[in-house]
Amino acid sequence: DTGVSQDPRHKITKRGQNVTFRCDPISEHNRLYWYRQTLGQGPEFLTYFQNEAQLEKSRLLSNRFSAERPKGSFSTLEIQRTEQGDSAMYLCASRPLGTDTQYFGPGTRLTVL
Amino acid sequence: DQQVKQNSPSLSVQEGRISILNCDYTNSMFDYFLWYKKYPAEGPTFLISISSIKDKNEDGRFTVFLNKSAKHLSLHIVPSQPGDSAVYFCAGHNTNAGKSTFGDGTTLTVKP
Repeated sequence: DTGVSQDPRHKITKRGQNVTFRCDPISEHNRLYWYRQTLGQGPEFLTYFQNEAQLEKSRLLSNRFSAERPKGSFSTLEIQRTEQGDSAMYLCASRPLGTDTQYFGPGTRLTVL
Repeated sequence: DQQVKQNSPSLSVQEGRISILNCDYTNSMFDYFLWYKKYPAEGPTFLISISSIKDKNEDGRFTVFLNKSAKHLSLHIVPSQPGDSAVYFCAGHNTNAGKSTFGDGTTLTVKP
């Protein structure tokens, strides 16, 4: 088991472009979370899935953000029409059933110019 | 409304001494509390947790204390080692909601 992986690790884009990030959770972890982290702050909840069902989405998440987990395995987070305020580290975490411990990936650092 | 607060952005201790990291929360719906440790360029890694029905949990050099009436928890590291230097995040978990809320972290520096 290689842990949670995220791709890409870094992304630089111009304002107005669309970006998509991928997260591969630990196999058989049925819960998957997306967080955003900016400098000096803790991870901020964005959304989470139980298997393929998206159970909650933060009200902080504008309609430019969408996440999917089509087969209950990997997940994608898409940001449309990126803005400079979207620059942050995007973290993915997975959690097995019956525990409260989340296992984080290394994150994708997004820079919007 | 910040539900989890870590009021000390940084802490510096000498190797071998005790490190005490503090965390306050406001949400009574949290039923687990977790501490995560983060090194630069890596995601947070789980360190230790405590159920809201307990007041202490110990794992090696790490002990977490929970004072539910004060809505306060602390992480004790004894003895502190240079490799403990990292950012420590406190998180409250609401099992019914299925999600955790994180504090802003405390940067611990352990000096040799």
